Amino acid sequence: DQQVKQNSPSLSVQEGRISILNCDYTNSMFDYFLWYKKYPAEGPTFLISISSIKDKNEDGRFTVFLNKSAKHLSLHIVPSQPGDSAVYFCAASGKGSGNTGKLIFGQGTTLQVKP
Amino acid sequence: DADVTQTPRNRITKTGKRIMLECSQTKGHDRMYWYRQDPGLGLRLIYYSFDVKDINKGEISDGYSVSRQAQAKFSLSLESAIPNQTALYFCATSDRKTGGDYGYTFGSGTRLTVV
Repeated sequence: DQQVKQNSPSLSVQEGRISILNCDYTNSMFDYFLWYKKYPAEGPTFLISISSIKDKNEDGRFTVFLNKSAKHLSLHIVPSQPGDSAVYFCAASGKGSGNTGKLIFGQGTTLQVKP
Repeated sequence: DADVTQTPRNRITKTGKRIMLECSQTKGHDRMYWYRQDPGLGLRLIYYSFDVKDINKGEISDGYSVSRQAQAKFSLSLESAIPNQTALYFCATSDRKTGGDYGYTFGSGTRLTVV
């Protein structure tokens, strides 16, 4: 049972445009959400996060939006740059039984930003 | 030196062989994790440890075992490797004092091929 889902395996955008990566979750006990970025031959690195008490968190070109009623979050990258080309993982954590202290990851979305 | 070091980086082994993947960290974190990455499945949790005396199974622990030899070392063993254990394996750490769930630090990964 995939509790965190990224239904788009890949996304291609033009440099300078907006990239929108989506993530859905099923467990209502999740209360913290994160995005990780992964380049080839490297481990994932933390990008941005959001607590369930907020609906938006912004850090430079990166903004994460959370819609709790829809159990949906999205990552917006504006403007997109070729160096943003990577695999992006959505992750969630919660205080409910079985979820405390560990992250559950989605399948990942490969973003390609074309010059 | 990397904060989280995984050895080996690449390994090819035969079906039925025992193999150990090692992880060491210099971040002083108390929590350590093993994940595997497969195409289309994302990162799935194999085992995690919140301190030296604490070991917990993750989503996909069958066929694996772990040992937390010290706060800084967490090894993953495949007692009898099988081809569907071919994957990219990541070790990660986090710090309980800063929330535990958040801001994992990942190693660079071990690419394991079982033939």
